[in-house]
Amino acid sequence: AQSVAQPEDQVNVAEGNPLTVKCTYSVSGNPYLFWYVQYPNRGLQFLLKYITGDNLVKGSYGFEAEFNKSQTSFHLKKPSALVSDSALYFCAVMFSGGYNKLIFGAGTRLAVHP
Amino acid sequence: DAGVIQSPRHEVTEMGQEVTLRCKPISGHDYLFWYRQTMMRGLELLIYFNNNVPIDDSGMPEDRFSAKMPNASFSTLKIQPSEPRDSAVYFCASSFTSVNQPQHFGDGTRLSIL
Repeated sequence: AQSVAQPEDQVNVAEGNPLTVKCTYSVSGNPYLFWYVQYPNRGLQFLLKYITGDNLVKGSYGFEAEFNKSQTSFHLKKPSALVSDSALYFCAVMFSGGYNKLIFGAGTRLAVHP
Repeated sequence: DAGVIQSPRHEVTEMGQEVTLRCKPISGHDYLFWYRQTMMRGLELLIYFNNNVPIDDSGMPEDRFSAKMPNASFSTLKIQPSEPRDSAVYFCASSFTSVNQPQHFGDGTRLSIL
């Protein structure tokens, strides 16, 4: 069965410092992995995805994610955090049974302090 | 392009009343998903459609919940009768058929049942 784990409920980082939001997954077959961000009173916004190819994926707003097959991880990263990056972040894996169904993690709240 | 449009954005009603939530997916998208988000349970997939046909409604919590998609540009989620525990933010999302395409979310309907 497919599953996604986000081990941290909250991540705190100072503005200007690098940030990492962790995600591990369990899938049968090739993983299709996604990161979404949710700002207050808004829907989830797509940030980036890994389908195949380079293990380092670049996305919106300066975010990137590193796919590590041996560690079954897909951590979200940014070299220099902004206060405006403070939001709720979701990792998701696409259900291998098809139908474009996503399995979401519980979410990690990122707080960037000035 | 217009994104996924949901209405109303906020709904407050009394227990026992019928509630209808509406969604207009992005034009051309073949999949439509309904989610519910609460603090306690996180993001839950309720039901999804492919080409207007319901594929999986196993996430619908009770028979009080029903969803329809009469055409490619409109879907409804109905709760009858509503209960206080149905209070949540309900999201609609849509995507293309291709398996590596992300889901695009609306900004949700915040539902409060008194």
